[in-house]
Amino acid sequence: AQSVAQPEDQVNVAEGNPLTVKCTYSVSGNPYLFWYVQYPNRGLQFLLKYITGDNLVKGSYGFEAEFNKSQTSFHLKKPSALVSDSALYFCAVRDPRALTFGSGTRLQVQP
Amino acid sequence: GAVVSQHPSWVICKSGTSVKIECRSLDFQATTMFWYRQFPKQSLMLMATSNEGSKATYEQGVEKDKFLINHASLTLSTLTVTSAHPEDSSFYICSAEEAGGWYEQYFGPGTRLTVT
Repeated sequence: AQSVAQPEDQVNVAEGNPLTVKCTYSVSGNPYLFWYVQYPNRGLQFLLKYITGDNLVKGSYGFEAEFNKSQTSFHLKKPSALVSDSALYFCAVRDPRALTFGSGTRLQVQP
Repeated sequence: GAVVSQHPSWVICKSGTSVKIECRSLDFQATTMFWYRQFPKQSLMLMATSNEGSKATYEQGVEKDKFLINHASLTLSTLTVTSAHPEDSSFYICSAEEAGGWYEQYFGPGTRLTVT
């Protein structure tokens, strides 16, 4: 069975500093990987996805993620964090049936 | 971009009653729709997958007679929570997928259900 792991429940970063939210995956076959963001009492918003191609994927709101096959990781990054980036972030992997989500990481950006 | 709406955004109902939640894809045809449940500070748990015109596929442990899912058209899926109890109180989120959309799901804003 496929799975994703987000090892950090919360990440704290100062505004203007780079941020990284970690995700590792376990799949059989080629991984289809996604990052979503959730604001309080809202649904999920799509940030980016890796299907194939370049290992560095650029997404919405200045976020990017690096696919690393040898380390089975798909970490989310942003060069300069904003207070408005504070939210809950989910990594997910897709198989032909459905998405499987990680446990989520709460990002807190301090002013 | 693709937009998915849910109605209502929040609902309070009494124990023993039923409540229906609608999920609509507004500007695309959704061949597949998904229903998730999210408890506070937890991840999304897939409840069921529905394809237009066919019966929903429920995840293990989800009571199909309690959570009735209908996907009557390419733009509408409904989730009916029958004989609701307080333990059914949760945040329900739907998502929709377009055929050939590289597995990208578009999520609705969610429905907060409180059963008293």
